[in-house]
Formats: sequence, C-alpha cells, structure tokens
Amino acid sequence: EDQVTQSPEALRLQEGESSSLNCSYTVSGLRGLFWYRQDPGKGPEFLFTLYSAGEEKEKERLKATLTKKESFLHITAPKPEDSATYLCAGDMDTGRRALTFGSGTRLQVQP
Amino acid sequence: NAGVTQTPKFQVLKTGQSMTLQCAQDMNHEYMSWYRQDPGMGLRLIHYSVGAGITDQGEVPNGYNVSRSTTEDFPLRLLSAAPSQTSVYFCASSWDRVNGYTFGSGTRLTVV
Repeated sequence: EDQVTQSPEALRLQEGESSSLNCSYTVSGLRGLFWYRQDPGKGPEFLFTLYSAGEEKEKERLKATLTKKESFLHITAPKPEDSATYLCAGDMDTGRRALTFGSGTRLQVQP
Repeated sequence: NAGVTQTPKFQVLKTGQSMTLQCAQDMNHEYMSWYRQDPGMGLRLIHYSVGAGITDQGEVPNGYNVSRSTTEDFPLRLLSAAPSQTSVYFCASSWDRVNGYTFGSGTRLTVV
C-alpha cells in the first residue's frame, strides 16, 4: 500500500536555528513528491515538486531534496513567518490519480 | 483568476441532513479531487476526477457522492450527514498532476 510518513509531528525552533523535516515514502512508482505549506484556516500552498532521486529545489530559506526512499525539507535560518504546517505528498504511477499525503509537521519558529 | 473556489466556507448540519459542497475552478484543469482534513490525520482523499464525466473513489469515499458534468465544477454531496463527517474539506485541481495542485480555501463542516 502506498504510504507517506512525515517526522517529526511538531518542531519548535528559535529564529535562525536551521533544521530539517523528513518525509519517507513507500510507493509502487513515484511520479512526483510534493511539498506544501499550510497556514491555520487556509488551504495548502504549493512549494515544490521533486521528480527523481538526487533532485534539489530551493525557495528563499527552504530547500527540498529527494532520495529513493525519502525527501527532506531543509529550513535555513528560519524566521517566525516560516511558522506553519508543512505537508508532504506523493503522486503515484499506479492506483489513484491524486495525491497521497503525510500527516504533516507543525513548525513553530520563536523570535 | 479566481483559482479554486469553495462554497460555503462554514456549514452546520444536523445528523441525517444532506448537502452539497461546491468546488469550481477557472484554470481549465482536468484533474480535480476532494480531501478531508482531520486533526493529526493529514489530508485523506475522498473522490477524484480525471476529466468531465470521469470520477473514481479515493481512500474514504463512504457517505459521499461526486459528479463531474463540466470541466469547471466538481461538487461533493453528503447523502445523510453523520457526526463522523465533521471535518474540513478541501478541493484541489491540477493541469497535469506533476506540476502542482491548487487548493481551495476549504469548507469547515460540523455535523451535530
């Protein structure tokens, strides 16, 4: 069964304290690995798509990487405005033609 | 562009009532899907569509119906509301799946 697992469930950082969020996946064929940001009371906002192992993408303080079994979202020198829930999702070659989501990591960055 | 529009934003239903959650997109996207989000459980797929006239079940389809008569609209129908359907519902659409999905702002549904 296709599965996406995120860790940790929650993470509290001090402003400027870099860290990484993990997303591991067990799927029969991965078309794309997605990262989304979700603020309270809002819908998920698209950040990145990664297609193949070794691929990396960056946006401001965020950098996403992909291996054959997992993806990392690295947050460099975070600011309080980076506080949000970060969601990982996979789009598979077989089965349902929609995203399979992990349960998310709630990030809080304190000033 | 409005993107993905969901209505209503909030709804309270009594057990046994039926209702339709509306989802419309103006981006000519073929792929559309409905998710529910519960605390600690992430987003779970209810139903999805790969084009007008084509729908399929997701992970948690029981108690929900969908239809896709046009490219723009993908309504979600609750047949007989139950307290277990209390959740936040999100609609999403995509042009080709791999270049990202656009999400609506959600409908917060409470069934009492």
